[in-house]
Amino acid sequence: ETGVTQTPRHLVMGMTNKKSLKCEQHLGHNAMYWYKQSAKKPLELMFVYNFKEQTENNSVPSRFSPECPNSSHLFLHLHTLQPEDSALYLCASSQDWGDRSYEQYFGPGTRLTVT
Amino acid sequence: GQNIDQPTEMTATEGAIVQINCTYQTSGFNGLFWYQQHAGEAPTFLSYNVLDGLEEKGRFSSFLSRSKGYSYLLLKELQMKDSASYLCAVLDSNYQLIWGAGTKLIIKP
Repeated sequence: ETGVTQTPRHLVMGMTNKKSLKCEQHLGHNAMYWYKQSAKKPLELMFVYNFKEQTENNSVPSRFSPECPNSSHLFLHLHTLQPEDSALYLCASSQDWGDRSYEQYFGPGTRLTVT
Repeated sequence: GQNIDQPTEMTATEGAIVQINCTYQTSGFNGLFWYQQHAGEAPTFLSYNVLDGLEEKGRFSSFLSRSKGYSYLLLKELQMKDSASYLCAVLDSNYQLIWGAGTKLIIKP
């Protein structure tokens, strides 16, 4: 247990569906992240929130919409996804932004399949 | 562009030693991380290097040479539970983590 939980663990959705991924951290951290992990590819950083404010949006398509209501919770809202969006979506948190405090704690991920 | 290179897959024998290399080309450097990820699980932190040299932590050691843009993770007395992917990541000048694709390590009895 890393102190970061994600739900659901597995999700199958059609291209016209709308769903949300949830992440919660119990570590008192100030920064939270969404990553996409595809087979044999580097982790792709999607969004970063620092003190609830979005600080990074790495050219992510608008069909992915993040929400950070407080520093402990992070959501990823999904709509009209494509089959190539099928991947493992990882949430992570860190104490703060910068140097050693960048040590990130990851949740177990949501395995998303888009049909 | 920014790039992290590490071997895709390595195989080693239980009880042996294995070295996983990572080379990087990034815009600036603020530290290098190694993470372990078992299949179907979250990546977990192993080590952090920001100065040149060797950092030892039990059976695992991590080495950094900033002038060569090179790091390695050394695993000693390999155990079956060490079968996992090992991810190398560099913190660039903008404090953004640049990730390698990971090295899948297979341990054989």
